Amino acid sequence: SAVISQKPSRDICQRGTSLTIQCQVDSQVTMMFWYRQQPGQSLTLIATANQGSEATYESGFVIDKFPISRPNLTFSTLTVSNMSPEDSSIYLCSVPRAGGIYNEQFFGPGTRLTVL
Amino acid sequence: AQKVTQAQTEISVVEKEDVTLDCVYETRDTTYYLFWYKQPPSGELVFLIRRNSFDEQNEISGRYSWNFQKSTSSFNFTITASQVVDSAVYFCALSEMSGQGGSEKLVFGKGTKLTVNP
Repeated sequence: SAVISQKPSRDICQRGTSLTIQCQVDSQVTMMFWYRQQPGQSLTLIATANQGSEATYESGFVIDKFPISRPNLTFSTLTVSNMSPEDSSIYLCSVPRAGGIYNEQFFGPGTRLTVL
Repeated sequence: AQKVTQAQTEISVVEKEDVTLDCVYETRDTTYYLFWYKQPPSGELVFLIRRNSFDEQNEISGRYSWNFQKSTSSFNFTITASQVVDSAVYFCALSEMSGQGGSEKLVFGKGTKLTVNP
């Protein structure tokens, strides 16, 4: 199984600022995913980040608000821009087991974001 | 669009009781995969099981068992002799091909919060 770390583990931010979340995987992976889990809610996919190409965003999420970088096969960042209290959530990155999405995904520990 | 429904928002049982968590899905794909994940209070998601659409055999792993029925589009999860450590939110998920650019993704249900009381 892949070992995934995220930084920061939690943060409290002021409205209007931006936060960049890092996701580091201990092996090279083609696909990485970013999810949002709002308080008491399920996980919603924000975007799929493939190395060497632009991220693919899901409906309701835009690059200006959630820019993503994927500089290599073991690392990705998600920025939450111009934050508002509605952005308070847990943000998780994940990678599929070798073989793609039809295998189980391994999730990072999440970043708990509170926006005041 | 693909959809996963977990109708039970919260369930509370007493230790040693059996409990079944329901999951109903919708998909037009003929090939798909279903998953269960556990999210304990610590927040980390733990993979429990994967089942492909061609394999309807029930599976048992210790106190856990899963009942997959294509006829009713259900993939239910039963915990036998529940324990306090089973307290968590359990998510059912379905893999699908996203309509945007053909990428693949997981669609999650809203989760069922299970509380096992001593």
